[in-house]
Amino acid sequence: DAGITQSPRYKITETGRQVTLMCHQTWSHSYMFWYRQDLGHGLRLIYYSAAADITDKGEVSDGYVVSRSKTENFPLTLESATRSQTSVYFCATYPGQGAENQPQHFGDGTRLSIL
Amino acid sequence: DQQVKQNSPSLSVQEGRISILNCDYTNSMFDYFLWYKKYPAEGPTFLISISSIKDKNEDGRFTVFLNKSAKHLSLHIVPSQPGDSAVYFCAASNNYGGSQGNLIFGKGTKLSVKP
Repeated sequence: DAGITQSPRYKITETGRQVTLMCHQTWSHSYMFWYRQDLGHGLRLIYYSAAADITDKGEVSDGYVVSRSKTENFPLTLESATRSQTSVYFCATYPGQGAENQPQHFGDGTRLSIL
Repeated sequence: DQQVKQNSPSLSVQEGRISILNCDYTNSMFDYFLWYKKYPAEGPTFLISISSIKDKNEDGRFTVFLNKSAKHLSLHIVPSQPGDSAVYFCAASNNYGGSQGNLIFGKGTKLSVKP
């Protein structure tokens, strides 16, 4: 039971490059989320998706792009990476309607360094 | 404007004693509150939650208390064990207000339990 798989676990890239972080889930949960974790800020929402082909911005969406063509995948793309996007990125899922008062479940994260 | 605040960045307790982690919120529309535990290099894992219709929820050594009038919740761990050493995040959501599943996180409190 893999649950949520994030890849890669670690990535180093240069400013201006495009980089895509992958998130795959095996639970068929409707909702998927992307967060970034930075010292002094806790977890901040970047983007979320309520279902395939439905996405919405979170608190810190500038500089990021998402897509959700299939329920199980929710890739996050940095189109032109900047040093301020160095962070640990977490993907999470949530079952959806009918599952109120259920927690989100998180992947193990991707540590991204932009030089 | 932080909606969920964890004012203590760190807490140190002796093994066997009680750990009390605090969380304050500002949005009176929040109706579901959660605590997550996070170890280094892992994703946050769900620990315990409470609905706004309750004032206490217990699960083994972990108890969450909710004081709606004070907009305050706390997590009690009794007895504390060295394996409880982690960062604890408080989170809140407004499940019935159109943002189902979306969580607002505090900045976290790092708990150290000394043998």
